[in-house]
Amino acid sequence: NAGVTQTPKFQVLKTGQSMTLQCAQDMNHEYMSWYRQDPGMGLRLIHYSVGAGITDQGEVPNGYNVSRSTTEDFPLRLLSAAPSQTSVYFCASSRGTGGVRSGYTFGSGTRLTVV
Amino acid sequence: GDSVTQMEGPVTLSEEAFLTINCTYTATGYPSLFWYVQYPGEGLQLLLKATKADDKGSNKGFEATYRKETTSFHLEKGSVQVSDSAVYFCALSEGPASKLTFGTGTRLQVTL
Repeated sequence: NAGVTQTPKFQVLKTGQSMTLQCAQDMNHEYMSWYRQDPGMGLRLIHYSVGAGITDQGEVPNGYNVSRSTTEDFPLRLLSAAPSQTSVYFCASSRGTGGVRSGYTFGSGTRLTVV
Repeated sequence: GDSVTQMEGPVTLSEEAFLTINCTYTATGYPSLFWYVQYPGEGLQLLLKATKADDKGSNKGFEATYRKETTSFHLEKGSVQVSDSAVYFCALSEGPASKLTFGTGTRLQVTL
């Protein structure tokens, strides 16, 4: 089925460990983003990309890295996990500027716990 | 910067009751406005949208009108169902990268 695929769905990390959250879309969307969802805070933008090879920081980028080597994939890397990064992470994609007016498509999320 | 303010929840209604979830926004230009819905254990789904002033977005019996004069985009439904129980997010998109800015979400619980 077409859409945004996130893996893994659940992950437990120890403080200081690193990992990569995977995100792939098969809709040939230009725009991709990573959000974190925390209770009472809505969704906050971590990093985003407007096309392959182009990334930029969002509202809460510290502790995370991204790259966009292909249109389809937009992995999120946690360099050294901290308990403050315990959250639910969502990847989203959209067609370009005009397509954003049609809304983003979201993945089903990755629930990360850092102990 | 851009911001979205939603009424706090949870909102608890009986089935067939009328629903209003308030949403106001602050933006420098002319944003597009969205309502997203998140069912338990799932990601966000686009519910409806409006891209210019006085536009009305509608879907599944839900409606919202883009009111530029009051910077509002309130979500309404005339008769809610138990299956509408979810968290509803108001959001705006503005600028060349068209990033989404979300409100904090409003949890709706509909009971029989």
